[in-house]
Amino acid sequence: GAGVSQSPRYKVAKRGQDVALRCDPISGHVSLFWYQQALGQGPEFLTYFQNEAQLDKSGLPSDRFFAERPEGSVSTLKIQRTQQEDSAVYLCASSRAEGPGSYEQYFGPGTRLTVT
Amino acid sequence: SQQGEEDPQALSIQEGENATMNCSYKTSINNLQWYRQNSGRGLVHLILIRSNEREKHSGRLRVTLDTSKKSSSLLITASRAADTASYFCATISGNTPLVFGKGTRLSVIA
Repeated sequence: GAGVSQSPRYKVAKRGQDVALRCDPISGHVSLFWYQQALGQGPEFLTYFQNEAQLDKSGLPSDRFFAERPEGSVSTLKIQRTQQEDSAVYLCASSRAEGPGSYEQYFGPGTRLTVT
Repeated sequence: SQQGEEDPQALSIQEGENATMNCSYKTSINNLQWYRQNSGRGLVHLILIRSNEREKHSGRLRVTLDTSKKSSSLLITASRAADTASYFCATISGNTPLVFGKGTRLSVIA
């Protein structure tokens, strides 16, 4: 079946603009994760949903970052008043299992955000 | 914060040679996973090894885990140009999120 999809694939925002990044997980996957990947680094955890419940948001770097998954499928990561340090690739992943790590996570292609 | 540290940071080998990458981590884990990332296919899960396992194989991949040394290794045998990618180890401790290392950049030269 279809994998995890993300849109847009590329986003250029001027500093101070708000952006919204969308993730469509694999159908039926219970768990959904957002990661931020800076250039030359590994992905860093932002937040985790089990169905529609946001169970862990400990990785969100500031209150400018907000994520939701209202119906337990599609998720949106919103960044308000973007700053240059927000420039990164934002990865979404889904997993069929509950919990963050017992099974493999399937990653989307990512959204590359550039803040100018 | 990143728990895993891959070594080396970059590796260049000839096609057909074996490639070995190492990962060290700091705290006790439930399992350790290896992922590959290239521009064509994004981040892809390769193999998961649980804390009570010592070795696991998948095709040309062999992963070992030494919990006493808090380290893991990934061996790719008979490498191909298509194996060129960044390889990340990622660990799970308790119910915490997956924590990735900084990765090893592997170049396989035809």
